[in-house]
Amino acid sequence: GAVVSQHPSRVICKSGTSVKIECRSLDFQATTMFWYRQFPKKSLMLMATSNEGSKATYEQGVEKDKFLINHASLTLSTLTVTSAHPEDSSFYICSATTGGWGVDEQFFGPGTRLTVL
Amino acid sequence: AQSVTQPDIHITVSEGASLELRCNYSYGATPYLFWYVQSPGQGLQLLLKYFSGDTLVQGIKGFEAEFKRSQSSFNLRKPSVHWSDAAEYFCAVSRDDKIIFGKGTRLHILP
Repeated sequence: GAVVSQHPSRVICKSGTSVKIECRSLDFQATTMFWYRQFPKKSLMLMATSNEGSKATYEQGVEKDKFLINHASLTLSTLTVTSAHPEDSSFYICSATTGGWGVDEQFFGPGTRLTVL
Repeated sequence: AQSVTQPDIHITVSEGASLELRCNYSYGATPYLFWYVQSPGQGLQLLLKYFSGDTLVQGIKGFEAEFKRSQSSFNLRKPSVHWSDAAEYFCAVSRDDKIIFGKGTRLHILP
């Protein structure tokens, strides 16, 4: 099946710094990528939807200036957590789809654990 | 508003025993329903999905789920679990082109 990678898998940073997380579709072109945030013992919360070449669509309550999303190519989307604070510590997961409906076409990355000190 | 409820946070079963994970949904129209499994260090994997048709859906790894409209449920079952089934399981419902996840059920397997 289609493979989605994320880098880094874990990152620890100091409060106030920015962190970039990459999401790559390795063997297919992803017209749409999704970014989720997963809290301990809670479900995945959709943060934003990004389409290649256009601005991301953020879910209600997600600060777009805080979580910058760039989908510059059909195989790469990046999430930058700007001026990170300890409350931003979480597990971030991306998914990618080839487009068209059919959730089995949405493939998930392994996630990135962000810890802000 | 659409929502998904997984009433069991943790479930423990013995290896070889049968399994049922519960899922209830709230959705105005005919839902698209899914079950995903999340293992440590791996991405979410789709086990099965229901869009329409036969209400008993077969998935990968020996899992099946039954859609019951009258009960607004989509419970996941497996007749005999293996130690490798220990993982987090998420029920989900679609909303437009987006997925809404339940909070997950952690499955523990006793040897």
